[in-house]
Amino acid sequence: DIQMTQSPPSLSASVGDRVTITCRASQHVGKNLNWYQQRPGQAPELLIYDASKLERGVPSRFSGGGFGTDFTLTIKSLQSEDYATYFCQQFHSVPVTFGGGTRVEIK
Amino acid sequence: QVQMVQSGAEVKKPGASVKVSCKVSGHTLTEIIIHWVRQVPGEGLEWMGGFDPEDGETFYAQKFQGRVSLTEDTSADTAYMELGSLTSEDTGVYYCTTHPRSGTYYVYWGQGTLVTVSS
Repeated sequence: DIQMTQSPPSLSASVGDRVTITCRASQHVGKNLNWYQQRPGQAPELLIYDASKLERGVPSRFSGGGFGTDFTLTIKSLQSEDYATYFCQQFHSVPVTFGGGTRVEIK
Repeated sequence: QVQMVQSGAEVKKPGASVKVSCKVSGHTLTEIIIHWVRQVPGEGLEWMGGFDPEDGETFYAQKFQGRVSLTEDTSADTAYMELGSLTSEDTGVYYCTTHPRSGTYYVYWGQGTLVTVSS
């Protein structure tokens, strides 16, 4: 199975801050890396797919990058509605696996 | 647009089975690929398996092999996930989700079903 390691597990940031979350895959996954946002009590929502493509309706302050084993999710200017948990996911091979999540909290 | 509505919360005793349903609308079940993902405390998000109606293939995560069954009732556009031999470690939220045939990402999700296993 491909292991997905996210860092940091949590972070505190202020509105307007630039935030970067990293995700490392234990094996090459090409561009098959996705990012989701999850708010408490809700299902995950797709933000970024294929490493860098912005899902329809997602604000442009979100961006993704990387290829192969190392990926990043960046929030250019953090907004109050962005406080949530973020997960990376590889869909390069079965079993699909997720990172452990990064909880973004208010500073 | 696909809507996915799951059945309500369940409380089960250890050793029992649970069957969660996922009613699909906006597309017929034969047109989409349903996967199941669970979220249990301390384990994060775990992929359980999926079903591809185009080739009729069902695939399961090895961790759940022999304990999980994914089925579909196309006449009712409803997918089912049944998990047996429940333990307290199966307590969590279970989601159905779908990915486009041409894509490798989950766009639509059910609202989740809380399964509590307790004696």
